[in-house]
Amino acid sequence: GQQVMQIPQYQHVQEGEDFTTYCNSSTTLSNIQWYKQRPGGHPVFLIQLVKSGEVKKQKRLTFQFGEAKKNSSLHITATQTTDVGTYFCAGPSGTYKYIFGTGTRLKVLA
Amino acid sequence: NAGVTQTPKFQVLKTGQSMTLQCAQDMNHNSMYWYRQDPGMGLRLIYYSASEGTTDKGEVPNGYNVSRLNKREFSLRLESAAPSQTSVYFCAITKGPTGLRLYNGYTFGSGTRLTVV
Repeated sequence: GQQVMQIPQYQHVQEGEDFTTYCNSSTTLSNIQWYKQRPGGHPVFLIQLVKSGEVKKQKRLTFQFGEAKKNSSLHITATQTTDVGTYFCAGPSGTYKYIFGTGTRLKVLA
Repeated sequence: NAGVTQTPKFQVLKTGQSMTLQCAQDMNHNSMYWYRQDPGMGLRLIYYSASEGTTDKGEVPNGYNVSRLNKREFSLRLESAAPSQTSVYFCAITKGPTGLRLYNGYTFGSGTRLTVV
């Protein structure tokens, strides 16, 4: 069945360092979404990418959708303690469902 | 969490007990979902309702039932709780189909933390 994998599973960085998480799908995706979940909280929608090769920025966050629409990445420049949490990607699985990646847990050391 | 309200926030059940998790939304969205989240397992879909009057199974439906009571409310029932159902349960909503080329991200509720002993 369809799978969405994320790497790495965990990442510890010093505050100010950059961070990247990668998302890979076993199938071509019509779009991909990214979410952030703070510890003890609920996932919060960050962005949706639709076009092949699309790049979108939100302040220090840069999102990319691969040319083949099977992979995506989230890059955070100069991490801050407020970036702590788990980042999930999600791809469509049928008309009404999304399948979530396993997530990357980010810890930022001050 | 504005838009999606889940009750209760915490619950402890004994094995074999039953309970219903409630979810209500005020965003007038068509589709509603129940996910469970376990450590290291990400979010797994239990059941969903694409629109009022319809429900469908997700990845892990065994041991659960759902009711789409109206457009606003979607409940999840555990008939006979088991320790394997200890998890955090999230209700989520979206506007509609995944192919919509506009903002269509999930809005999640704040979750129900369920422990079955």
